[in-house]
Amino acid sequence: DQQVKQNSPSLSVQEGRISILNCDYTNSMFDYFLWYKKYPAEGPTFLISISSIKDKNEDGRFTVFLNKSAKHLSLHIVPSQPGDSAVYFCALYAGGTSYGKLTFGQGTILTVHP
Amino acid sequence: DAGVTQSPTHLIKTRGQQVTLRCSPKSGHDTVSWYQQALGQGPQFIFQYYEEEERQRGNFPDRFSGHQFPNYSSELNVNALLLGDSALYLCASSLGGADRDDEQYFGPGTRLTVT
Repeated sequence: DQQVKQNSPSLSVQEGRISILNCDYTNSMFDYFLWYKKYPAEGPTFLISISSIKDKNEDGRFTVFLNKSAKHLSLHIVPSQPGDSAVYFCALYAGGTSYGKLTFGQGTILTVHP
Repeated sequence: DAGVTQSPTHLIKTRGQQVTLRCSPKSGHDTVSWYQQALGQGPQFIFQYYEEEERQRGNFPDRFSGHQFPNYSSELNVNALLLGDSALYLCASSLGGADRDDEQYFGPGTRLTVT
């Protein structure tokens, strides 16, 4: 039973355009939503997060949107840069007594072409 | 500022053997979580150690065990290795006493291959 799904295994975007990465979840217990970026031979690095009480959080070129009714999370990167090419994971956290348990999606490989 | 470090980088073991992976948390962090990332999948939570005790466990069999030392470093032990245990094992550190410990810092991982 997969609680978190990233349905696009890969995404290819031209430099300067917008990249939109999507994530769907099934369980309403999650109350914090995060995006991690992973380069080859490195561990995932935290990118941006959003609390369930918000519907948008912005940090520079990165914006995360949360639609709780649709159980849908998205990450917008604009403008996209070649250095953004990496694997992006959404990760969900239930808070309370979850104690560090992040539930990850399968990841989306983003390629930004110069 | 030292980040999360893991050793070894790569490891090859035979089915049935036992393996120990090691992790040192980021400076100032006292909590270590372990994840397994199979090829083409996202990381899956194995367990978390805080104050030298396991305080949360994911859906992994008892063959997977761990330990945390007084200096907050941690070990992951896997007994009776199966081919399906081949994966990247990630260690993440955080502050256990924080209201939220979702802000986790990951190490580069240990690539385990079971033949």
